[in-house]
Amino acid sequence: GDSVTQTEGQVTVSESKSLIINCTYSTTSIAYPNLFWYVRYPGEGLQLLLKVITAGQKGSSRGFEATYNKETTSFHLQKASVQESDSAVYYCALGDPSSGSWQLIFGSGTQLTVMP
Amino acid sequence: GPKVLQIPSHQIIDMGQMVTLNCDPVSNHLYFYWYKQILGQQMEFLVNFYNGKVMEKSKLFKDQFSVERPDGSYFTLKIQPTALEDSAVYFCASSWTGSDYTFGSGTRLLVI
Repeated sequence: GDSVTQTEGQVTVSESKSLIINCTYSTTSIAYPNLFWYVRYPGEGLQLLLKVITAGQKGSSRGFEATYNKETTSFHLQKASVQESDSAVYYCALGDPSSGSWQLIFGSGTQLTVMP
Repeated sequence: GPKVLQIPSHQIIDMGQMVTLNCDPVSNHLYFYWYKQILGQQMEFLVNFYNGKVMEKSKLFKDQFSVERPDGSYFTLKIQPTALEDSAVYFCASSWTGSDYTFGSGTRLLVI
């Protein structure tokens, strides 16, 4: 079946430094799946940060970017300059509605801590 | 923006008892979901509900689980009877289109 891998469980970055959170995926679908980044701030529900449904495209939101790379099957999340308010848990996810399913496959999440 | 509310936020229940988790979805959404996250593990899909019916379910959606949304009120997940391995955080989500979910903040269930 499909899977999503986030290798880092925790990342600590100093404020104003750059960030990359790794995400790779595996799919058995003949179509290219939709890829998502969700974020959970303390005490809140998951929020959609960005999504990309076309291979090769880049999504961006709130200064974060992720490029759908079908060659490396990756969807890494990047930000040039993080802020303390970016501290949260970030989840990479995959969805494949072409299979007739609306379910999402999630990675295990990466806890981002931004130090002042 | 619009929110999905989950009630209660925490629940402790004795093994073998019944528990109902409540979800108040976004008002005009048509698709409803439950996901389960055991501590330290990934969030996993349980069930998708649309037009009054279960549309798809995973192998985690055991016979002891049921969902309903009577008369457009809360979307509920009922577990009867509960087992120790049901201890997890349960997340409800709703969607207008099927994708682009709005998630709740979860109900932390502890079965003792």
